[in-house]
Amino acid sequence: QQQVKQSPQSLIVQKGGIPIINCAYENTAFDYFPWYQQFPGKGPALLIAIRPDVSEKKEGRFTISFNKSAKQFSLHIMDSQPGDSATYFCAALYTGNQFYFGTGTSLTVIP
Amino acid sequence: NAGVTQTPKFQVLKTGQSMTLQCAQDMNHNSMYWYRQDPGMGLRLIYYSASEGTTDKGEVPNGYNVSRLNKREFSLRLESAAPSQTSVYFCASSEWGRGYGYTFGSGTRLTVV
Repeated sequence: QQQVKQSPQSLIVQKGGIPIINCAYENTAFDYFPWYQQFPGKGPALLIAIRPDVSEKKEGRFTISFNKSAKQFSLHIMDSQPGDSATYFCAALYTGNQFYFGTGTSLTVIP
Repeated sequence: NAGVTQTPKFQVLKTGQSMTLQCAQDMNHNSMYWYRQDPGMGLRLIYYSASEGTTDKGEVPNGYNVSRLNKREFSLRLESAAPSQTSVYFCASSEWGRGYGYTFGSGTRLTVV
């Protein structure tokens, strides 16, 4: 049973577009929601994170939108660049420090 | 550079062989984790160690054992490798309970034939 459901599986956008990746969860005990970025051959790296008492967080071109009542959160990448092409994972934190990950979204930004 | 170091980076095993994946971190983190990454499955937790001297099972522990050797090192052992264990394995570390994100190693790509 997938604790965190992520969509879409893959995404192709033109340079300058705004890709949006969505995640949904059921367990209301989750209390921290990070996004990770992974380049081929590398480990995932923390990109941005949000807590459920905040509805939006921005860091540079990356924005998390959080809807607590719907149990959904999403990642928006403003003015996307070819260098943003990577796999993105959402995650949710449970019981102190055990994370559950989404299945990943492969993003391709076309020049 | 500070971070999480995994060895080896690549490994091919025959079914039934054993091996140990090594992981070390130099950030003085209390907690360490082993994940496997498979296409379409995301990252799944195998085992974790909340602090030195403790280990616990994650989502997919069958076929694996772990050892928290000291605060820095956390190893993953496959006693009798199976083709289903073909995967990319990631070690990670963090501060327990702080809600901070993980720092991941660069991974070990394991193929069992």
